[in-house]
Amino acid sequence: DTAVSQTPKYLVTQMGNDKSIKCEQNLGHDTMYWYKQDSKKFLKIMFSYNNKELIINETVPNRFSPKSPDKAHLNLHINSLELGDSAVYFCASSRITGAEAFFGQGTRLTVV
Amino acid sequence: ELKVEQNPLFLSMQEGKNYTIYCNYSTTSDRLYWYRQDPGKSLESLFVLLSNGAVKQEGRLMASLDTKARLSTLHITAAVHDLSATYFCAVDFDRGSGTYKYIFGTGTRLKVLA
Repeated sequence: DTAVSQTPKYLVTQMGNDKSIKCEQNLGHDTMYWYKQDSKKFLKIMFSYNNKELIINETVPNRFSPKSPDKAHLNLHINSLELGDSAVYFCASSRITGAEAFFGQGTRLTVV
Repeated sequence: ELKVEQNPLFLSMQEGKNYTIYCNYSTTSDRLYWYRQDPGKSLESLFVLLSNGAVKQEGRLMASLDTKARLSTLHITAAVHDLSATYFCAVDFDRGSGTYKYIFGTGTRLKVLA
């Protein structure tokens, strides 16, 4: 039983397209996150939601829009994809804000 | 500015040797986490350190936290090839009003040579 699951695992798309990545956790956690990992392996927080409420919104282009329909789901929609958006995107969750985070398997996004 | 720095960034070591990875952070926090990432895989939680002086050990890895020095260490004893991975520390910074910001270190890519 996967704790934090993301779909799709791989996503290859052309510049200018719009795409979504879905994330679901079955751990009963209150807090969910989106992280971006670049080619140098740096991990940067993008968004954090607590009980469906946005609590962290880093300096991310507004082409990126997170949506949390309920506590167990946090989706990421990206408009007008650019080459620089190519990265691995990780979803994570924690029991509460400030607790140990559990990560999904990642979505490798390649924009061509 | 909230910063978490690790060193070294790259570490190549012989099997059987000992080494320490350092994690420094810029602002007061007493919550620090260590993760392991294998190539192409997700992050796996290794240690949770929640107070000054906390020490945790699992197999050949031992992590400690000194909140006064804003420093955590991950010590590797008698390294084996299976420990080859990228290791990240992450620090929770209190933003006030009960929310925290989880910032990752730069990562240390460890390669253990036979």
